[in-house]
Amino acid sequence: AQSVSQHNHHVILSEAASLELGCNYSYGGTVNLFWYVQYPGQHLQLLLKYFSGDPLVKGIKGFEAEFIKSKFSFNLRKPSVQWSDTAEYFCAVRRYSGGYQKVTFGTGTKLQVIP
Amino acid sequence: EPEVTQTPSHQVTQMGQEVILRCVPISNHLYFYWYRQILGQKVEFLVSFYNNEISEKSEIFDDQFSVERPDGSNFTLKIRSTKLEDSAMYFCASSEMAANQPQHFGDGTRLSIL
Repeated sequence: AQSVSQHNHHVILSEAASLELGCNYSYGGTVNLFWYVQYPGQHLQLLLKYFSGDPLVKGIKGFEAEFIKSKFSFNLRKPSVQWSDTAEYFCAVRRYSGGYQKVTFGTGTKLQVIP
Repeated sequence: EPEVTQTPSHQVTQMGQEVILRCVPISNHLYFYWYRQILGQKVEFLVSFYNNEISEKSEIFDDQFSVERPDGSNFTLKIRSTKLEDSAMYFCASSEMAANQPQHFGDGTRLSIL
């Protein structure tokens, strides 16, 4: 079965520290990869996505992620976090065939940034 | 920017009662989805809907659940006889087509079963 693993459940960083959140998936076919962010009390928002092409994708708010196909990974990075980045981050993998698709989310990583 | 809207934002229901959660997807989108997130857990896929029929559903989406697009704008999730474990945040999402476009999520409806 398709699975998405986020190994860090809770990360605490000081402002200006660098961030890397891990995401690994198990599905071997063609996938699209996403990172979503959920700020406290708000809905899921798309941070960035990878469909094809350059494996290093840049998203909003200074986030980027690198797709490494051989490692089935799509790690999220930010060189310098801010207090406003405090949120929960979800990796998601979509596989599709014809008109159908299935999206699986990881368990999420809570990021707490301390001023 | 167009948004997916969900109503109500919070629904409190007695166990065993029926509940209908409503969503208005983005107007030119063709694919619709429901997800749920139990407190402290990950977001789980429930069902996808296209061309007036369910295209895929998860094992969570049993006979107690149904979806409907009753008119050209609304997309509803009905839980026939709610259980305590149905308490969760329910997210609706829509996308333009299956591939090449991400899903846009609504704010969610918090469902509390008493």
